[in-house]
Amino acid sequence: QKEVEQDPGPLSVPEGAIVSLNCTYSNSAFQYFMWYRQYSRKGPELLMYTYSSGNKEDGRFTAQVDKSSKYISLFIRDSQPSDSATYLCAMSEVHAGKSTFGDGTTLTVKP
Amino acid sequence: KAGVTQTPRYLIKTRGQQVTLSCSPISGHRSVSWYQQTPGQGLQFLFEYFSETQRNKGNFPGRFSGRQFSNSRSEMNVSTLELGDSALYLCASSIVDEQFFGPGTRLTVL
Repeated sequence: QKEVEQDPGPLSVPEGAIVSLNCTYSNSAFQYFMWYRQYSRKGPELLMYTYSSGNKEDGRFTAQVDKSSKYISLFIRDSQPSDSATYLCAMSEVHAGKSTFGDGTTLTVKP
Repeated sequence: KAGVTQTPRYLIKTRGQQVTLSCSPISGHRSVSWYQQTPGQGLQFLFEYFSETQRNKGNFPGRFSGRQFSNSRSEMNVSTLELGDSALYLCASSIVDEQFFGPGTRLTVL
């Protein structure tokens, strides 16, 4: 069983919708939680990171971590066609340099 | 501030050959990590270097190796290439809790 499981998708939503992307994990030693966005044929781009339970907001993006349930989420408000990409969750124990990734969820936002 | 750069961007090799990929981290970043990304296995950790020392290693065979230089630049080498080594190889530099990726090197093994 994988250490990090991500909702597989694909996900297709209309422009302006709220998107919820989710991952669960089994390794209780994970301390850092990250979300990346990856466009086709590009490297992953760091969207948000956090290391505590609770919510962290950055513009239209909110990262949520629940360590007791080993569950993390990324919410995207007012989704835009430019948000269409693959979203990857990632986690690490001590520092970000050794991260374990989910398989990614491909999101399409339709105009 | 310049991002992570990787060279070459594309590479075609044949089975049995070896290949060396290069990565220049963001200025000031001392940690460089390498990942392999394939459609079937996703993004998998290869190894991480910090201050010229391998700090962590993933579950890949010994054909995969790397090194880091005093200026933090890193190289990754794959010997005796196999068809299954075809992938996007990503380099990332990090400071504690933030990791930034380069555009990757797409390796095709024929």
